[in-house]
Amino acid sequence: DSGVTQTPKHLITATGQRVTLRCSPRSGDLSVYWYQQSLDQGLQFLIHYYNGEERAKGNILERFSAQQFPDLHSELNLSSLELGDSALYFCASKRGQMNTEAFFGQGTRLTVV
Amino acid sequence: GENVEQHPSTLSVQEGDSAVIKCTYSDSASNYFPWYKQELGKRPQLIIDIRSNVGEKKDQRIAVTLNKTAKHFSLHITETQPEDSAVYFCAASNGIKAAGNKLTFGGGTRVLVKP
Repeated sequence: DSGVTQTPKHLITATGQRVTLRCSPRSGDLSVYWYQQSLDQGLQFLIHYYNGEERAKGNILERFSAQQFPDLHSELNLSSLELGDSALYFCASKRGQMNTEAFFGQGTRLTVV
Repeated sequence: GENVEQHPSTLSVQEGDSAVIKCTYSDSASNYFPWYKQELGKRPQLIIDIRSNVGEKKDQRIAVTLNKTAKHFSLHITETQPEDSAVYFCAASNGIKAAGNKLTFGGGTRVLVKP
């Protein structure tokens, strides 16, 4: 167990809908990173938050947004969903912003039908 | 931005043989290179990492080498066992706080160890 909790584990929804994925980082970790992993693909960086502030953006679609709350949990909002958004979404947390191990959650598997 | 290429995409080895996975990176400012192992249906987990001030690091059957001049790094697994079967990802980070120290991952290598 990495200490990073993601909910829900599985999500099935229809095209055009909006969903929210939740991530609770390890206790004391201030950094949260979101990654998308499509079938048989690598891990694509979406966005990074540190202590409530957005710090870096990757290949994140305009239909996607995220935030980190005062209690440090983070939510990734995906709207106007398309079939191609089906993927495994991981969050990872770190203590700070230094080059240290990033701990991954178990992921949320999103299926858009 | 950083780009990490990983080869091969699949690797099949006989139990007991060695496995080598190679990665190249584009950003010369990158200074941290972790390797993650992802078993089927599970989360990626760090197995070893190396920083740019070190050329080689070893942990039991796993070793990583770094060539900063050529901008490539490699993972070596010796005496492979069936439980080594998984997808392995290399990654690079440039250590720039303003950029969030994000990890850029390679495309992954699916390793199959045949008994």
